[in-house]
Amino acid sequence: AQSVTQLGSHVSVSEGALVLLRCNYSSSVPPYLFWYVQYPNQGLQLLLKYTTGATLVKGINGFEAEFKKSETSFHLTKPSAHMSDAAEYFCAVSHFPSNTGKLIFGQGTTLQVKP
Amino acid sequence: AAGVIQSPRHLIKEKRETATLKCYPIPRHDTVYWYQQGPGQDPQFLISFYEKMQSDKGSIPDRFSAQQFSDYHSELNMSSLELGDSALYFCASSSLHESQETQYFGPGTRLLVL
Repeated sequence: AQSVTQLGSHVSVSEGALVLLRCNYSSSVPPYLFWYVQYPNQGLQLLLKYTTGATLVKGINGFEAEFKKSETSFHLTKPSAHMSDAAEYFCAVSHFPSNTGKLIFGQGTTLQVKP
Repeated sequence: AAGVIQSPRHLIKEKRETATLKCYPIPRHDTVYWYQQGPGQDPQFLISFYEKMQSDKGSIPDRFSAQQFSDYHSELNMSSLELGDSALYFCASSSLHESQETQYFGPGTRLLVL
């Protein structure tokens, strides 16, 4: 069975500092990996995804993530945090197309950005 | 660009009542997923439909049922509501013909059961 673990339920950084949100997955087959962001009282917005090919993927708002199979990780980074980045971030895995594509989410990480 | 539409956005019900949540996928999307997000929790998969047929089922209580209609919109019917059903319910859609692995989420319906 697949699972996702996000290390650190709360991460606090200063504005302009590096953002690093950690995600590790467990899967017996090659996964598809996603990062979603959720602002207060809003839905989930896709930041970026890895399916196949290049292991470093770039997303919206300056975020990027690197798929490391050997470490079963898909950490999310951004070189310089902005106040508007404060939100809840979810890492998710699916095994599309070997299954119906349902997403398995991690527990989420709340990012706080201090001025 | 058109997004996933969910209605209502907020719903307050009493215990043992019934609720119906509606989801209108992005035009030309053929797959709909339902997720439940409890307070402070991650979203949990409930059920999905592809071309109006149930394609997968997760941790959905027997009190809940869902279907996808000919126009591809979907409805989640919840009966005998319990306090624990209070949550944010998301619908997501995807397309066989366009990055099928990517799900686009609606804004959610926040259900409060009193």
